[in-house]
Formats: sequence, structure tokens, C-alpha cells
Amino acid sequence: DGGITQSPKYLFRKEGQNVTLSCEQNLNHDAMYWYRQDPGQGLRLIYYSQIVNDFQKGDIAEGYSVSREKKESFPLTVTSAQKNPTAFYLCASSNRFGNQPQHFGDGTRLSIL
Amino acid sequence: QQQVKQSPQSLIVQKGGISIINCAYENTAFDYFPWYQQFPGKGPALLIAIRPDVSEKKEGRFTISFNKSAKQFSLHIMDSQPGDSATYFCAASEGDDKIIFGKGTRLHILP
Repeated sequence: DGGITQSPKYLFRKEGQNVTLSCEQNLNHDAMYWYRQDPGQGLRLIYYSQIVNDFQKGDIAEGYSVSREKKESFPLTVTSAQKNPTAFYLCASSNRFGNQPQHFGDGTRLSIL
Repeated sequence: QQQVKQSPQSLIVQKGGISIINCAYENTAFDYFPWYQQFPGKGPALLIAIRPDVSEKKEGRFTISFNKSAKQFSLHIMDSQPGDSATYFCAASEGDDKIIFGKGTRLHILP
């Protein structure tokens, strides 16, 4: 089955710690995305990548970093600079960037201890 | 101009009724209007999408109505069922630009 796998499903972070969220896709999609979802806020774009070894900041990139070394992988690091990291994080991919259907993973819920 | 305004925030409908969710936009260059459905603890999934060259698209019980002059589009769920209870997001995008999502509507269908 083709799809997007996010891990872990739940993650806890101590104050001052960096944590990395995993996202893997086997859809052979060029574009990948990270969104943050908070209650009543919809989906806010953190970072996106149109192609391997390239990525751009989205609307709320501060305190986050990404890499795209392989087509199928787009990990997100939540750094200690992100002051309010508690949220539901969603990874998505699409055949190409732009007005294309996006396929989402089932998310990682990050909480602060 | 890049916003997509979605209403209502929450909606309660009796089983068998029609659920209607509305979205409005300002950017007349938007050319792709998808709707996503999200169940608790899951990621959103594409439900149905429309391009501005048609005024309506129907897939089963789900219909998108598109009013280009009013810059509005809506999702209609006919014969709503308890299994339709979920959060629905409208979205819009222009060409090679990012997709802009509405803030979502939490729909609850009473059994």
C-alpha cells in the first residue's frame, strides 16, 4: 500500500530539548510538506520541499528545521527555540508542488513535559 | 487576499439531513478548490475537488457548488450519516503556489 508514514504517533519533549519527527512516503512524490494543526487554527504550513535537496520556509518556520536528503524522507526537527511546540504535526506529499491533491500521514502529537 | 474563510466553525445535523459548509475567497487567480475530511487522530484525506471551469461537481452524497462571481464555494453532504461526523477543511490554490486551507468545520451528525 502506498502512503505516508509518520512516527512516532505520540512524542514528549522536555524543556530545552530538540526532537525530530519522521515522515516517509512511498508514493514517489516530488513535493513534501509539514503542517502544524492547533484547535480552531486549521493547517498552518511550516516548511515545504519541491524536490530533493531543496526546501523553503512556510508561514510559521521559526523554531523548526528540516532536511530533504532523500526523495522519500522529510524529517522535521522542533528546536528549543520553538516556544510553544505542543501541537499535532502533519506531513503531506503531492506529485508536484502547487494545485495538486495532497496525501497526508496520520500525524504526530507532540507534548511538553 | 490569500485567505480562505470557512463557516460555520461547527455544525450539528440530524441523520438524513443536508450538511452545508461554506467557503469564501478573495484571490480570483485561485484555480483549484479541494475539500478534505479529517477524523479524530488521523490526517486529512482528499474528499472532492473542483476547478473553476465547472459550477458543480458531485461524488456520491458529496457535492461541491462553485460560484465564481461571488467568490464562494460550498460542500453539501446529502443524507448525512453519523459516519460523516468529522472535521472538514476547504482549501484553494493558484497554479504553482501553495494550498491555503480554511480553519475547518467540525461536523456532528446526530443518530
